[in-house]
Amino acid sequence: SSELTQDPAVSVALGQTVRITCQGDNLRSYYASWYQQKPGQAPILVMFGKNRRPSGIPDRFSGSNSGNTASLTITGAQAEDEADYYCNSRDSSHLYVFGSGTWVTVL
Amino acid sequence: EVLLVQSGGEVKKAGESLKISCEGPTNSFDSYWVVWVRQMPGKGLEWMGVIYPDDSDTRYSPPFQGHVTISADKSTTTAYLQWNRLKASDSAIYYCARGVVATTIYLDSWGQGTLVTVST
Repeated sequence: SSELTQDPAVSVALGQTVRITCQGDNLRSYYASWYQQKPGQAPILVMFGKNRRPSGIPDRFSGSNSGNTASLTITGAQAEDEADYYCNSRDSSHLYVFGSGTWVTVL
Repeated sequence: EVLLVQSGGEVKKAGESLKISCEGPTNSFDSYWVVWVRQMPGKGLEWMGVIYPDDSDTRYSPPFQGHVTISADKSTTTAYLQWNRLKASDSAIYYCARGVVATTIYLDSWGQGTLVTVST
């Protein structure tokens, strides 16, 4: 399958930890990248490769992979982390596909 | 910081043609891929296609093949997304992004988006 499956929404209490998951067959072979999109803004890259953060992304963001699942974890979630998060990876035809996105609510 | 600057919003009628642009930095523009991404109102991100400006190698995602054309002019460091005949369902925000190749492509810099509105 070339699809990437994400939960539509998750919530986390301020300062707590939330894991956002992305499932897809091709994640057994390829890393996912992760993008944060706040309302009315363009997406930004928050994680890529094997747990690599772009400069400027807080270290409370981390990534991991297991089998067909890629995960983005926010440890100590802050109010400004409330956003949509999209995973992206290569599909079986060597093109790329985004997951359906997960809205994170920080309570 | 890489800056991708997209052309302004457009209001068109169904059946009309349109070409929107994405201008990248002068240095290294032809060393990276440029990806186009669609976001329909209230929906998620969709990978439309990708171009390597240095040789114009272009690949389209199946839903967009044949309906849009992606091109680039490395002399002006500008990538383009073009429609010959717009549909109302093309109304969306279109983003360009710089694609960096590691084991997979990741998008490390995004344009501000171009809002395209197509009326019937």
